[in-house]
Amino acid sequence: RKEVEQDPGPFNVPEGATVAFNCTYSNSASQSFFWYRQDCRKEPKLLMSVYSSGNEDGRFTAQLNRASQYISLLIRDSKLSDSATYLCVVNTFSGGYNKLIFGAGTRLAVHP
Amino acid sequence: GAVVSQHPSWVICKSGTSVKIECRSLDFQATTMFWYRQFPKQSLMLMATSNEGSKATYEQGVEKDKFLINHASLTLSTLTVTSAHPEDSSFYICSARDQGLISPNEQFFGPGTRLTVL
Repeated sequence: RKEVEQDPGPFNVPEGATVAFNCTYSNSASQSFFWYRQDCRKEPKLLMSVYSSGNEDGRFTAQLNRASQYISLLIRDSKLSDSATYLCVVNTFSGGYNKLIFGAGTRLAVHP
Repeated sequence: GAVVSQHPSWVICKSGTSVKIECRSLDFQATTMFWYRQFPKQSLMLMATSNEGSKATYEQGVEKDKFLINHASLTLSTLTVTSAHPEDSSFYICSARDQGLISPNEQFFGPGTRLTVL
């Protein structure tokens, strides 16, 4: 079983739509959680951290359920520029280091 | 701030040659750097954790004699792919952690190096 699992998509949505991505992780000792965005052939960039109480940054809302080991990302009022791959990332302490474990990503395509 | 550069951004080489990739933290000191590899449509996979002045820690399944890592200074780590073969063709990305930040676990990523081995 993969440590971080995501629906690969693609999600094809019109501009203005609301779209939700889900992610599950297997290591209950994981400490912190993130959503990254990766554009084609580029490095990943931090979109937002995910907190247990849920957090919002503009059109983006992230939720964490530690009991279910489940993370979500909601994007409201989708823009064309939101088209990218969204990576669910978990920070785990292992082998003496904090390591980021990446999901394979969910592809989003927003069309006019 | 917190900029990480990589060089080269892309490289094409013949099978059997060695390729060196540099990762630099431009405006902060990074005691820890990470090397990842990403194959098409797959997730980033951590290859190794590089600590300044000590040996790198390799993830399971990553050959340390094939992927040589040197972290000789607080701003530079290098990854050398020795005797590269076509199956080593991939997107190699480094990241660095700025210990001085409020969020010391945050990693800053370089732009990646695309390696193609013919």
